[in-house]
Amino acid sequence: AQKVTQAQTEISVVEKEDVTLDCVYETRDTTYYLFWYKQPPSGELVFLIRRNSFDEQNEISGRYSWNFQKSTSSFNFTITASQVVDSAVYFCALTPMDSNYQLIWGAGTKLIIKP
Amino acid sequence: DTEVTQTPKHLVMGMTNKKSLKCEQHMGHRAMYWYKQKAKKPPELMFVYSYEKLSINESVPSRFSPECPNSSLLNLHLHALQPEDSALYLCASSFTGTETYEQYFGPGTRLTVT
Repeated sequence: AQKVTQAQTEISVVEKEDVTLDCVYETRDTTYYLFWYKQPPSGELVFLIRRNSFDEQNEISGRYSWNFQKSTSSFNFTITASQVVDSAVYFCALTPMDSNYQLIWGAGTKLIIKP
Repeated sequence: DTEVTQTPKHLVMGMTNKKSLKCEQHMGHRAMYWYKQKAKKPPELMFVYSYEKLSINESVPSRFSPECPNSSLLNLHLHALQPEDSALYLCASSFTGTETYEQYFGPGTRLTVT
């Protein structure tokens, strides 16, 4: 089965707190790609990161960081010192190597940052 | 420039109307996509064009008709829609080739069918 699970439906934190969004995936393929997208209330899906299955290095981009662990099939996303502008729905997605452009999406996590 | 543009931003149409959604990208991407997104759900893939040829049609009803006039443009023609077709319609594009690339999305068209 090919599946992405984002168990956290909604998270609410106060500004400046750190927050981690969980993503667990299932795939039978050895080669695959993982993505995170942000969807603010305006509706546009914003690409954040792509990671292939052979690259387990963690990545940091400003206040954002990603932890990819193949052993637990997880690709978690942490926002450090959260800001109100981080409020959005965040989607994790999976593309197996031979998927022919198809993304398998998680259900999304709605993140609310309170001032 | 990682911009995908979509027009119109909002569209209200009756069930007997014919309308079109437009999407444009100038990133040199050769794969373009239409998605439908209902509230509080992830996007659902409708169509994929690769090198201007329809590559994937996810069993979408014929009242939705895609068109790819050239490598930069993608249209979605709408006819005789139902109220349940009301949704956010997103266009996306990506590089195509031997590796899998990220998709870049437009701002979407919010469609209401009355």
